[in-house]
Amino acid sequence: AQTVTQSQPEMSVQEAETVTLSCTYDTSESDYYLFWYKQPPSRQMILVIRQEAYKQQNATENRFSVNFQKAAKSFSLKISDSQLGDAAMYFCAYRSANRDDKIIFGKGTRLHILP
Amino acid sequence: DADVTQTPRNRITKTGKRIMLECSQTKGHDRMYWYRQDPGLGLQLIYYSFDVKDINKGEISDGYSVSRQAQAKFSLSLESAIPNQTALYFCATSDPNRNEQFFGPGTRLTVL
Repeated sequence: AQTVTQSQPEMSVQEAETVTLSCTYDTSESDYYLFWYKQPPSRQMILVIRQEAYKQQNATENRFSVNFQKAAKSFSLKISDSQLGDAAMYFCAYRSANRDDKIIFGKGTRLHILP
Repeated sequence: DADVTQTPRNRITKTGKRIMLECSQTKGHDRMYWYRQDPGLGLQLIYYSFDVKDINKGEISDGYSVSRQAQAKFSLSLESAIPNQTALYFCATSDPNRNEQFFGPGTRLTVL
C-alpha cells in the first residue's frame, strides 16, 4: 500500500524568506501523481501544485515549486518570497495513475509566517 | 458560485442520533468522494462513487453509509453517531482528465 510521510509537523519562516516543506512517499508503482494542497484557516482545501511522475521537469506555479526526486521518492515544496497569506496547513498527497483515483494524504505540515 | 457545496457547514449532535451530510456539485463530474479529517491525521477516505450505480468503501467506512441520489448529489450518513466521529468532513469531486480533485468547504461535525 502507498504511504505519504510529512516529517515536519510545524515550520516557521520569516516573511519574504524561502521555506521548503518535506514529503516522502512509498510506492511500488511507476506511474502516479503527486500534489501539494494548502488548507488555510478557512479550512478550504486548495490545490497548490501538481506533478506527474513521468515528467522529469519539476512543476512550478508562481512562487511555489517542487523538487521531485523519483528514485528517492521525495517530493518537497519550496515557497519563495513567503507572504502572510501562505500561513496554512500543507498536505502532500499521492494518487495512483493505474487504479481508482483515490488520493492518499500525508498528515500535514503547519506553516507559520513571521512578520 | 461554489462548484462543490456542503450542507450543513457546522453541526452539533448527540450520541445515538442519525445525521446526514449533503454534498452537491455543479462541475459535471461523475466521481465523488467523502473524506474525514482529524487533527494530526490528514484526510482519510470514507466512501467514493464513480457514478450513480458504483459506490465503494474507502479506508474508514465503518459507521458510515452513503447515497448517490444523482450525478450531482452524494450524501453521507451516520446511522448512530458516536463521539469519535467528531471531525471535519469533506466532499470532493474528480476530473480524471486533469488528475485533480476539487473539494467542498467542509462540514464540522461535533458529536456530544
